[in-house]
Formats: sequence, structure tokens, C-alpha cells
Amino acid sequence: DADVTQTPRNRITKTGKRIMLECSQTKGHDRMYWYRQDPGLGLRLIYYSFDVKDINKGEISDGYSVSRQAQAKFSLSLESAIPNQTALYFCATSGLSGIRELFFGEGSRLTVL
Amino acid sequence: AQSVTQLDSQVPVFEEAPVELRCNYSSSVSVYLFWYVQYPNQGLQLLLKYLSGSTLVKGINGFEAEFNKSQTSFHLRKPSVHISDTAEYFCAVSSVSGNTPLVFGKGTRLSVIA
Repeated sequence: DADVTQTPRNRITKTGKRIMLECSQTKGHDRMYWYRQDPGLGLRLIYYSFDVKDINKGEISDGYSVSRQAQAKFSLSLESAIPNQTALYFCATSGLSGIRELFFGEGSRLTVL
Repeated sequence: AQSVTQLDSQVPVFEEAPVELRCNYSSSVSVYLFWYVQYPNQGLQLLLKYLSGSTLVKGINGFEAEFNKSQTSFHLRKPSVHISDTAEYFCAVSSVSGNTPLVFGKGTRLSVIA
């Protein structure tokens, strides 16, 4: 089983719908992240959480919200999806100490029509 | 704050030829540097990292990178590429303090031609 699991892996939805992407991890890491990947733009940080009580905005947080339900779970929500939120979304984790290497899930591809 | 510039968005290369993917960074503090690889339809995995010590870092699959502090560069190299190296490669930087997340470059798509 993967250490970082994202669900769903693929989702097609319509403009205005509420969407939740879920991430769970078995690595025991405290830090979790949501990134968005668009062609030619690389990975951009949406939100991150350094522990259960800590939530921080990244560079592109507008239109998104997150919930850290437990150390192992970090969900990303789009309250009212719009077409320019069509992208590949990655969840990642890292340890509290050490070199903060990121461990990634396999991605959730979201299409907003 | 840190930033990363990957100088080439696409690099085509023939099989068994050498390749260099260029990465420059900007930071006012000491940094850790990373290269990640993303194979088609997969997530990202760590290729190699520079933390401290020797400026030449060896990673998986025969890749290596050299940290050059004076030129603020961390270029990735492989002496002989294979078809299976076709992927997107991302350079990333973080501060040594670790209080901010990794910052990624925009990626370089390496296409190996048979």
C-alpha cells in the first residue's frame, strides 16, 4: 500500500459544485501539504499544515480550503469549483525534523467543466 | 524567501547521450536543494538532495548534481541517458531552518529519443 494515499484519483465535475480531495498517510509525519500542478507552471503550494492545530496558506489559496482532521489526514476542498481549477493536485508529507524531504501521493486529477 | 529557476522547459536528447538540466536558485539564507522526478502518470519521487558537505551529489538511476554556491546553481547531469529517463524533472529549494515549505521550479521535460 502507498504511504501517501489520495482519493479520488480522477474526478470530473461541473462549475459551482463542491469538491473534496482527501489525503491520508501512514508515514507518521507531522507536516502535510497540498500542491497544484499545471503544465508549464510546475508545482504551486495551496495550503500546508505543520501539525493538527496548524493551517497555513500557500501562494495560491484563494478558492480553496483545507481541514486537518488528524495527524494522518488532510483534506482539500473547493467550495464552488470553477474551470480554471482544472489541474493535477498532489498531497505530500514531511517529517518534523530532518531535511524535510517531501513524500508525494500519486495525485488527483480534477476536471471542472 | 527562496525561488527556483529551471532554465529549460524542454530538453530533447538522443539515447546514450549525456544530458544536463539546469537549475538556479535565489535565497538570502542557507538552503537545502533537491531534484525530483515525475514519470508519466505518477507522483513525484526524490532523485537526489544536497544538504551539506561534498558539492557533488549522487542520486538514483545514475544521476548526479553539483552544488555551486557562488553561481547559486544545482545542475543535474547524467552521462548516458536511457529511454526510461523520459520524465519531468523538478528542482526544489528549502531553507535550512525548515520553517517554510519546499519551493519548486517550473520543471524540465526530458525527452529521450531512440
